[in-house]
Amino acid sequence: ETGVTQTPRHLVMGMTNKKSLKCEQHLGHNAMYWYKQSAKKPLELMFVYSLEERVENNSVPSRFSPECPNSSHLFLHLHTLQPEDSALYLCASSQGGQDSGNTIYFGEGSWLTVV
Amino acid sequence: GQNIDQPTEMTATEGAIVQINCTYQTSGFNGLFWYQQHAGEAPTFLSYNVLDGLEEKGRFSSFLSRSKGYSYLLLKELQMKDSASYLCAVRDSNYQLIWGAGTKLIIKP
Repeated sequence: ETGVTQTPRHLVMGMTNKKSLKCEQHLGHNAMYWYKQSAKKPLELMFVYSLEERVENNSVPSRFSPECPNSSHLFLHLHTLQPEDSALYLCASSQGGQDSGNTIYFGEGSWLTVV
Repeated sequence: GQNIDQPTEMTATEGAIVQINCTYQTSGFNGLFWYQQHAGEAPTFLSYNVLDGLEEKGRFSSFLSRSKGYSYLLLKELQMKDSASYLCAVRDSNYQLIWGAGTKLIIKP
């Protein structure tokens, strides 16, 4: 139990579907992140929210849309994805944003398969 | 560009010692992290180095040489549960985390 909970753990969706990934952190942190993890590739930072404000968007396609309603919850809305978007999507949190230098804590991830 | 290099896969024997290396070329340096990730699970924090030298935590130690752009993670008295991927990450001058692709460690009886 890392204090960061992601649902669903596994998701299979068609290219025309709309789905959402959910993340909740119970650590009292004020920054949350979405990462993409593909096999044998480095973690790719997608989005960063600090104090519920998006502070980073690393050239992610618009078919991925994040939402952060409060400091404990983070969503990733998915729409018209491509098969190459199939990956493990990791949510993470930290106290302070990336420039705080604090450790990032990860959830167990949501395995996404696009068919 | 910024780059983190670590071996893709390593194999070691239960009870032995293994050293996982990480070399980096980044724009500045503000610390180096090691994470452990078991298959299908969250990456979990292992260690943080910002000054040169060795940091020891039980069976795990992490070493840093900033002048050489080099770190290693040393695992002693290997146990089967140590089979996992080990991720190296460096925080650059803009406090961005640059990640390696991870080293898959296989422990054999």
